[in-house]
Amino acid sequence: AQTVTQSQPEMSVQEAETVTLSCTYDTSESDYYLFWYKQPPSRQMILVIRQEAYKQQNATENRFSVNFQKAAKSFSLKISDSQLGDAAMYFCAYRSAGQGGSEKLVFGKGMKLTVNP
Amino acid sequence: NAGVMQNPRHLVRRRGQEARLRCSPMKGHSHVYWYRQLPEEGLKFMVYLQKENIIDESGMPKERFSAEFPKEGPSILRIQQVVRGDSAAYFCASSPRLAGHNEQFFGPGTRLTVL
Repeated sequence: AQTVTQSQPEMSVQEAETVTLSCTYDTSESDYYLFWYKQPPSRQMILVIRQEAYKQQNATENRFSVNFQKAAKSFSLKISDSQLGDAAMYFCAYRSAGQGGSEKLVFGKGMKLTVNP
Repeated sequence: NAGVMQNPRHLVRRRGQEARLRCSPMKGHSHVYWYRQLPEEGLKFMVYLQKENIIDESGMPKERFSAEFPKEGPSILRIQQVVRGDSAAYFCASSPRLAGHNEQFFGPGTRLTVL
């Protein structure tokens, strides 16, 4: 079974600074997707960024980028120019992509990010 | 295009009562997923449904929990004889499941409190 580990339960960053959130996962599959979701106090789950495992290029969405290391099974999220609105819980998630694979998302336990003004 | 709708947003039940949680997927989406989030935890998969079919229920507790996604109407997650341990946030997500579309869009969740 696949597992996702977020070893840092909490982090803080100064506004306008850069912060990196770590995530590791375990799988025997070669084809899969990785995601970072943001959950603000409203509890709405918001997709931040997505990475297909077959793509070597790291995904980027504006101030958000990932460092995907497939061999190391590592998937970290970098937030540049942090803003107060970035404060939230961040969840790393895994999903199989192969035929017959489960459609379910496997989530890490999450990490609480605080942004200090 | 309205997002995934869940109702109620908050539900309070006494031990032994039944809880019914509803999820209306995004327009054009025929795949629904239910997840449960316990306090201070990440989301845990419960069940994956397509219209009139349960595809994967590997995360559903064996007793008291059931789910359906009828041909017409919302998906329903039903919890019979609730216990305090059922208190959690229950999230529904939907997906079009077309080629290249692998994102699940989440609803706002239903927070269940069992007294």
